[in-house]
Amino acid sequence: GQQVMQIPQYQHVQEGEDFTTYCNSSTTLSNIQWYKQRPGGHPVFLIQLVKSGEVKKQKRLTFQFGEAKKNSSLHITATQTTDVGTYFCAGRIQGAQKLVFGQGTRLTINP
Amino acid sequence: DVKVTQSSRYLVKRTGEKVFLECVQDMDHENMFWYRQDPGLGLRLIYFSYDVKMKEKGDIPEGYSVSREKKERFSLILESASTNQTSMYLCASSFVQGLTFDYGYTFGSGTRLTVV
Repeated sequence: GQQVMQIPQYQHVQEGEDFTTYCNSSTTLSNIQWYKQRPGGHPVFLIQLVKSGEVKKQKRLTFQFGEAKKNSSLHITATQTTDVGTYFCAGRIQGAQKLVFGQGTRLTINP
Repeated sequence: DVKVTQSSRYLVKRTGEKVFLECVQDMDHENMFWYRQDPGLGLRLIYFSYDVKMKEKGDIPEGYSVSREKKERFSLILESASTNQTSMYLCASSFVQGLTFDYGYTFGSGTRLTVV
């Protein structure tokens, strides 16, 4: 079926290093959402991108939506231990009814 | 504070039992969803509902059914539980989407189901 692929599956960084996770779709997306799931918690909505080439920032987090609306990225600058968790992207394939979630990127941080 | 409440945090059931997982939201959301989460597989959609008494199959509906008799409540039913249904089950809700715009999903805390 139609999929949204997310890489990497795991990422371990030293505190203070940057982190990026990528989301790719083979078909055009109407929008892309990003979620964060803390260890033992549930996914929490972070942001939605709708426009081609859109860039949004939340403090140290930068979200981008590709020009072709087929890929997206989440970049964290200078990671902190509070950033630990799994980050999911979720996109709506154009014409489809529901969001498709990526497999998630699990971020661990060495303090 | 808006909430999606799942009835149980942990549940242990025997193979062959009929299992009910309940989800209630207090945000007047039209859409409700059931996902299962397994390591390495991310979130997989089981069923979803856009309105009362209405349901749509997701990506992995086999072995499951759902019920939505009231707008705020969406139940997931395992007709005859099997060990391969051991998983974390997450309920979510949202407002109805626009043409290109989706509202963010609000997730419940999850039910960790173990079938023995």
